[in-house]
Amino acid sequence: DVKVTQSSRYLVKRTGEKVFLECVQDMDHENMFWYRQDPGLGLRLIYFSYDVKMKEKGDIPEGYSVSREKKERFSLILESASTNQTSMYLCASSLIPSSYNEQFFGPGTRLTVL
Amino acid sequence: DQQVKQNSPSLSVQEGRISILNCDYTNSMFDYFLWYKKYPAEGPTFLISISSIKDKNEDGRFTVFLNKSAKHLSLHIVPSQPGDSAVYFCAASVRGQGAQKLVFGQGTRLTINP
Repeated sequence: DVKVTQSSRYLVKRTGEKVFLECVQDMDHENMFWYRQDPGLGLRLIYFSYDVKMKEKGDIPEGYSVSREKKERFSLILESASTNQTSMYLCASSLIPSSYNEQFFGPGTRLTVL
Repeated sequence: DQQVKQNSPSLSVQEGRISILNCDYTNSMFDYFLWYKKYPAEGPTFLISISSIKDKNEDGRFTVFLNKSAKHLSLHIVPSQPGDSAVYFCAASVRGQGAQKLVFGQGTRLTINP
C-alpha cells in the first residue's frame, strides 16, 4: 500500500513566522503535489514536482515555495505566514506512467495562523 | 475560472436509497475523471475513475456515468449506507507541463440518514 505521511496533523503559528510542512511518500513516486483545501473551494493546487529538484507552480503559488531534494520528500514553505494561509494542507503523490492519474493523499495538516 | 464544478454543496439521502452526485466540466482535453471520498481529518481516498472514451464504469455499489456532449458526469451509489457519509470530490485529469495534474471540484457533502 502507498503511504504518504505529513509531519504534523495540527499546527498553530503566528503571523510572520516561517513555516515548514513536510511530506514523505514510500512508493518511489515521481510526482508529488501540495494542495490546500478550503470550504466551498475544493482542493487547489499550490505547487507540484515531477522529479527531484524540479518544481512547477500550480494555481495558487503566491506566498509559498517548495523544496524537493530527495525523491521521497516534498516540503512546502510559507516564508512569512499570514492569516489567509489558515487552511488544510494536503500532500499527494502519483506514479509515472499512471493509467488514470490516481493520486495518493496524506492525512493533511490543519494549519492555523494567528 | 472553475474548470470542474460541483454545484451541490450538500446532499442528504435515506439509507438504502440511491445517492447521485453530479459534476460539470468545461475543458474538453480532460482524459480521465476520478471521484475521491474524504472523511473529516483524513486525506481524500480514491473511489472510482472513468476514461474520457467510456460512458460508464461500475465498481460494486458505485457507478460513474460520463456524458461528454453535456460535459457532465455523475456518481451513483446504490444502496447508500451510513458509512458513505463523507465529502465527495470530482476530479479531472489533464496533462500539464512535466506531469499529469488533477483539477478538483468544490466537493459535495453527502449525509446518509438511517
